[in-house]
Amino acid sequence: QKEVEQDPGPLSVPEGAIVSLNCTYSNSAFQYFMWYRQYSRKGPELLMYTYSSGNKEDGRFTAQVDKSSKYISLFIRDSQPSDSATYLCAAHSGGSNYKLTFGKGTLLTVNP
Amino acid sequence: GAVVSQHPSRVICKSGTSVKIECRSLDFQATTMFWYRQFPKQSLMLMATSNEGSKATYEQGVEKDKFLINHASLTLSTLTVTSAHPEDSSFYICSASRLTGGDEQYFGPGTRLTVT
Repeated sequence: QKEVEQDPGPLSVPEGAIVSLNCTYSNSAFQYFMWYRQYSRKGPELLMYTYSSGNKEDGRFTAQVDKSSKYISLFIRDSQPSDSATYLCAAHSGGSNYKLTFGKGTLLTVNP
Repeated sequence: GAVVSQHPSRVICKSGTSVKIECRSLDFQATTMFWYRQFPKQSLMLMATSNEGSKATYEQGVEKDKFLINHASLTLSTLTVTSAHPEDSSFYICSASRLTGGDEQYFGPGTRLTVT
């Protein structure tokens, strides 16, 4: 079992829709959780960074972490065509080990 | 702030030759840099972690003699793919962080390597 599982999609939604992206993880030591956005043939861009369980909101983006169920989510409100990209979840356990473990990424297309 | 560049953005080389990829932190000092490889429709796989002035730490299954990493300054790390083969063709991405050991990582735009 991979440490971070993510449905690769693809996911296609109309403009303005609420998008829900999800990952599960198996390593109980993970404490820090991230969502990255990656456009085609580009490097990942950090969107959200959260520690432990809870919610974090930044504009149209909300990240949720539920450590009890080892479930992490990213919600995108009022989705735009420019949100079309691959979204990668990632986690690390902190301490002296900051190695990121990535999910496979979900390809999202927002149709105008 | 926190901009990371990579050079070249894409490179084509013949089998058996070596290729060097540069990763630079443009507006901050990076004590730690990471090198990843990404195959099409796959996730990023960490290859190695390097701290400035120290030898790189390679992930299991990554040949250190094939993928030479040098982190000689706080703004530059290089990855040299030696004796490249077609199966080394991939998207190589570096990231950099300010603190020793990691924390928030800022990614470069990636280098597309094609070995013919």
